Amino acid sequence: QVQLQESGPGLVKPSQTLYLTCTVSGGSISSGGYYWSWIRQHPGKGLEWIGYIYSSGSAHYNPSLSSRVTMSFDTAKSQFYLILRSVTAADTAVYFCARDVVGYSWIDPWGQGILVTVSS
Amino acid sequence: QSVLTQPPSASGTPGQRVSISCSGSSSNIGSHTVNWYQQFPGTAPKLLIYSNNQRPSGVPDRFSGSKSGTSASLAISGLQSEDEADYYCAAWDGSLNGVVFGGGTKLTVL
Repeated sequence: QVQLQESGPGLVKPSQTLYLTCTVSGGSISSGGYYWSWIRQHPGKGLEWIGYIYSSGSAHYNPSLSSRVTMSFDTAKSQFYLILRSVTAADTAVYFCARDVVGYSWIDPWGQGILVTVSS
Repeated sequence: QSVLTQPPSASGTPGQRVSISCSGSSSNIGSHTVNWYQQFPGTAPKLLIYSNNQRPSGVPDRFSGSKSGTSASLAISGLQSEDEADYYCAAWDGSLNGVVFGGGTKLTVL
């Protein structure tokens, strides 16, 4: 079955850019019908949808983050990416990558999550 | 402030039935299906209920979901200690063109 795994730095300095990778196994990110998504969870808080990228290359972001977010993918590597610019302490969170069924928002499966701390 | 509104906590004793509510608006729950996620500490959320009332394979039938208008509800019958977790509702939002979540409900089994 499809599995997702996040990777990236656990610590980023304020004002820098965060780069996260999600590696997909057991399935193809180029197949239609799914949004490849990023979701984050601040410590002790709820879930926040960051955005998604579709197999066509189109992406859509949460308006609260859209000025700082870019998503992309590399089908050959079966990976998709999150770039978050000008990070602050408020971006400290566990970041999850996940697969979302288009039209239904069935988010499954999820990656295990990666804790990213923004601190100098 | 989450777009969907859930009670922050719920509790019950083993064997009891508990219900968790989720309130939204016409742009999300009112026009799209609701999904529920279960999350244990330190782990990723897991899809528990999809399309308002459908259970993925492996989810016990003690878990059920319902939706009416702009509100939804998750019910857990025959409560067990292993049900102690955080529960989140979610739905597509046509105004945001993205997924919105509830703030989560921490379920305690007394």
